[in-house]
Amino acid sequence: QQQVKQSPQSLIVQKGGISIINCAYENTAFDYFPWYQQFPGKGPALLIAIRPDVSEKKEGRFTISFNKSAKQFSLHIMDSQPGDSATYFCAASIRNAGNMLTFGGGTRLMVKP
Amino acid sequence: GAVVSQHPSRVICKSGTSVKIECRSLDFQATTMFWYRQFPKQSLMLMATSNEGSKATYEQGVEKDKFLINHASLTLSTLTVTSAHPEDSSFYICSAKLGNYGYTFGSGTRLTVV
Repeated sequence: QQQVKQSPQSLIVQKGGISIINCAYENTAFDYFPWYQQFPGKGPALLIAIRPDVSEKKEGRFTISFNKSAKQFSLHIMDSQPGDSATYFCAASIRNAGNMLTFGGGTRLMVKP
Repeated sequence: GAVVSQHPSRVICKSGTSVKIECRSLDFQATTMFWYRQFPKQSLMLMATSNEGSKATYEQGVEKDKFLINHASLTLSTLTVTSAHPEDSSFYICSAKLGNYGYTFGSGTRLTVV
């Protein structure tokens, strides 16, 4: 059972545009929601993370929007650049359950120059 | 920041041989390590969770005798793929837990079994 559903699977955006990736979760016990960026042949790197007590978090060009009632969260990349082309994973975890991360299926983003 | 060094980055081995992958936490103590497997264009699949000084906990469907995990110290965890076969070819990634919420990932190991 996939507990974190991510969409779209792939995304093409023009340089300077906004990239939006969405995730939905099922388990209301999740209390930590990070986004990871992964380049080919590399491990994931943390981009930004949010906890459910806030509805939005912004760090530079990256913003997480969190809707607790809808059990959804999204990543917005403003002013997308070709260097942002990578695979993005949302994830979720529960603090008191071993802290293992449950990953979404991933989104392959391509930013065209 | 906290860094996990994973080696080797790439390894090619013959079918039937064993391969060891190491993950070292360089500037912190990793009480808990996670091992993932990732097939091309797919998400990370958790294989096992290891806590320093105790036996690893394997996810359903992961053969514990094939994927041996050792976490004997707070700075080193190893994954040994025993009697490797071509279907074991994959990208293996370790991750260490940081505090209550954070995680840091190794750079991954591309295993090719020929």
